[in-house]
Amino acid sequence: AQSVTQLGSHVSVSEGALVLLRCNYSSSVPPYLFWYVQYPNQGLQLLLKYTSAATLVKGINGFEAEFKKSETSFHLTKPSAHMSDAAEYFCAVSRYGGSQGNLIFGKGTKLSVKP
Amino acid sequence: KAGVTQTPRYLIKTRGQQVTLSCSPISGHRSVSWYQQTPGQGLQFLFEYFSETQRNKGNFPGRFSGRQFSNSRSEMNVSTLELGDSALYLCASSLTTGEVSYNEQFFGPGTRLTVL
Repeated sequence: AQSVTQLGSHVSVSEGALVLLRCNYSSSVPPYLFWYVQYPNQGLQLLLKYTSAATLVKGINGFEAEFKKSETSFHLTKPSAHMSDAAEYFCAVSRYGGSQGNLIFGKGTKLSVKP
Repeated sequence: KAGVTQTPRYLIKTRGQQVTLSCSPISGHRSVSWYQQTPGQGLQFLFEYFSETQRNKGNFPGRFSGRQFSNSRSEMNVSTLELGDSALYLCASSLTTGEVSYNEQFFGPGTRLTVL
């Protein structure tokens, strides 16, 4: 069975500081992993996805994530936080190994950015 | 190209009533998925439809049902509403060409359902 754990329900950083949002997964099949962002009163937007190609995945808005099989992790990073990055971030794993229609989400991490 | 639209955006119902939510996918997208988002349980997969057929289903009671029309528009229905059904219901569509979709899911803004 697949599952996702996001460490830290709230993360606060200063503008310009490194953003690190942690995600660990459990999967009985090779996983497909995703990071989504949700702004208040909006739906989810895909930041990036890992589908067994390169282990370092670059996404939109300067975010990237590295797939580490040995650590079962897929942490999201951004070198320099911007005020507009304040939002809730969700890590997700594809339930059946491929189809995106069956995503299992983590509980989410709310990112605050201080000026 | 217009995004995923969901109607209504907000809904207030009372216990025991039923509700129907609507989702119009992006033009050309044939796969539609539904998710429930609550503060306690987070985001949970409800079901996925492809070409008018339910392809996958999450772990929800039979009170939750859905369907997809020939134009790919989808509806979900919740009967005999309970207080715990209060949630944000998100619809997502994706461009899929076969059994498995590797493409990005585009989410709508959601329908906020409040059950009193």
